Amino acid sequence: NAGVTQTPKFQVLKTGQSMTLQCAQDMNHEYMSWYRQDPGMGLRLIHYSVGAGITDQGEVPNGYNVSRSTTEDFPLRLLSAAPSQTSVYFCASSYRGDRVGYTFGSGTRLTVV
Amino acid sequence: DQQVKQNSPSLSVQEGRISILNCDYTNSMFDYFLWYKKYPAEGPTFLISISSIKDKNEDGRFTVFLNKSAKHLSLHIVPSQPGDSAVYFCAATSRGGGSNYKLTFGKGTLLTVNP
Repeated sequence: NAGVTQTPKFQVLKTGQSMTLQCAQDMNHEYMSWYRQDPGMGLRLIHYSVGAGITDQGEVPNGYNVSRSTTEDFPLRLLSAAPSQTSVYFCASSYRGDRVGYTFGSGTRLTVV
Repeated sequence: DQQVKQNSPSLSVQEGRISILNCDYTNSMFDYFLWYKKYPAEGPTFLISISSIKDKNEDGRFTVFLNKSAKHLSLHIVPSQPGDSAVYFCAATSRGGGSNYKLTFGKGTLLTVNP
């Protein structure tokens, strides 16, 4: 069982470039989310999905797009990277009604220069 | 508006002593609380949780206490070990109506356990 797999682990982008952060889970979890972690800010929810074809915005959605075409995959797209998007991004998944919360991936460290 | 607050950015304790990490929340709709532990360069891992219908939950060395009237919870680690040194995040969610897919996190507390 691989759990939640995020790729790439590290990425450097130039301002204005676009890219997709990949997230895949093999636990057949219905719920998936993207968080960003910034120093002194904790983890903030970007977008989430409660099932294939269903997504919604979290606390800090601007500048990011998501889609959920399959249960397994939940990619996060940066449309036009900005230095303010320099952060560590975590993908997480959970069963519906799971009482132990989300399982997190190991993160993608993104630097926008 | 920070709905989950961890007011201590850091905590240092001696090995074998008790570590107490605190968390306050403001949203009365929160009914399920979780603690996550995070090592550098890794994702957060689930540690322990508590439902609002309980005031205490124990799992080995870890105990979480919930005081609903004060909107306060705490994580006790007894005895503390050097391997417990990590950032601890408090998180909360509202499960009413099945909305347990959105976790709201505090900013975290860095625990250092000294040998």
